[in-house]
This record gives sequence, structure tokens and C-alpha cells, in this order.
Amino acid sequence: AQKVTQAQTEISVVEKEDVTLDCVYETRDTTYYLFWYKQPPSGELVFLIRRNSFDEQNEISGRYSWNFQKSTSSFNFTITASQVVDSAVYFCALSEGSNSGYALNFGKGTSLLVTP
Amino acid sequence: DTEVTQTPKHLVMGMTNKKSLKCEQHMGHRAMYWYKQKAKKPPELMFVYSYEKLSINESVPSRFSPECPNSSLLNLHLHALQPEDSALYLCASSQDRGHEQYFGPGTRLTVT
Repeated sequence: AQKVTQAQTEISVVEKEDVTLDCVYETRDTTYYLFWYKQPPSGELVFLIRRNSFDEQNEISGRYSWNFQKSTSSFNFTITASQVVDSAVYFCALSEGSNSGYALNFGKGTSLLVTP
Repeated sequence: DTEVTQTPKHLVMGMTNKKSLKCEQHMGHRAMYWYKQKAKKPPELMFVYSYEKLSINESVPSRFSPECPNSSLLNLHLHALQPEDSALYLCASSQDRGHEQYFGPGTRLTVT
């Protein structure tokens, strides 16, 4: 069963638009961690954020913000004023102690294309 | 410094060859990982080393053999691979399991 669902396969926006990438997860653990990674065309996975299950505070880092809601099992990622350099595949991932000892379980990814 | 290095960047090998992929980190991380990523798919976990001991093997065929010579190095030995093993092989490390993983640039492997 898919534990992390990223329903948006591809999103295309024009530069300076805001865009939200959705992530819904499924777990029975009370302690778990959620992550977002960016994979540009070069291929390297870049860590963006980690949240633990006990910290529902939203976070903002520059143009990036994350909305964690346990009530809906969602961990959405918003890019404000998108730029061409934001074009990449974005993966949401879940880490649980009951699953391979906190190994990362990735969603299928959302491919974001930002055009000038 | 959050750098994980991997060599080689590209590798082409025949089905009868033996080769090794190398990964190194100097962040003092105690967990290291191998992932396999096919085109347009998410990374799939292969192996986890925790404190230099193999802790997770995700039912990977024996033609892939991991090795952790010390806390900074992780190798993946390849032997008698199949064309379907062609993929991007990613190494990652983390302070401990459950912490954020930092990925290397990957080795793009082609099996002919």
C-alpha cells in the first residue's frame, strides 16, 4: 500500500506564481518523521525539511513554506513567487520506526516546471 | 558541510563484469544507505548500515553486495548484473536513523 501519496504528477506554472505541492501520508506509528526533497535535472536529491510527528508548527524558509496537519495526514509544500530554478521533481517522504527502522518511504514525486 | 561523495559518476559494465561503487561522508554520520532509482520513479531503498553493521537488506539480489569498511565509507560491489539493473544508484547518510538523509550525486549505471 502506498504510504505517501503525491496526487499531482506534474505541475506547470509561470514564473512568480505561487504553487502548492500536496502530500498525504498514512501511518499507525505515533512517532514518525516527514521530509521533502528536491531533485533537479542534475539528479542529486537535496534535503529541504524534516518535521517530527509531535511538531505541527508550520515553517517558512524564504520562499518555501510547509503546512503540516495531522488531522488530515497532510504535509503540503508551498513555493511563493516561483522561479525557473525551482523546476525539479519534489518528493515527499515518510520515516517510521515500524518500517525498516526509519528508512525513507518516498511518494512518487511531483514534477514542477516553472516557465519564464 | 553536508557533502556525500560518490564515485564513479558514470559506469558502463557488461553482464560478466565485477565493479564497485564507492560512497564517502565525513560528517560523522552513523547511518548510511544505498538506494536505486529508475527513471521517473522515486528512490527505492536497498540497504541500510547503522554503526557499520548491515541492519536492513530490502530483499536485494545477491549480485549486489554492500560493504562498510569504516564509518565514513560505503561500497556496493556489483557482479553478474542484468540490463534491468541499469539505474541511478544513490548513497545517503544521516546522523542516525530517522534523521534527515543527505544524498550523494549518484552513480549512473548502465549494464550492457
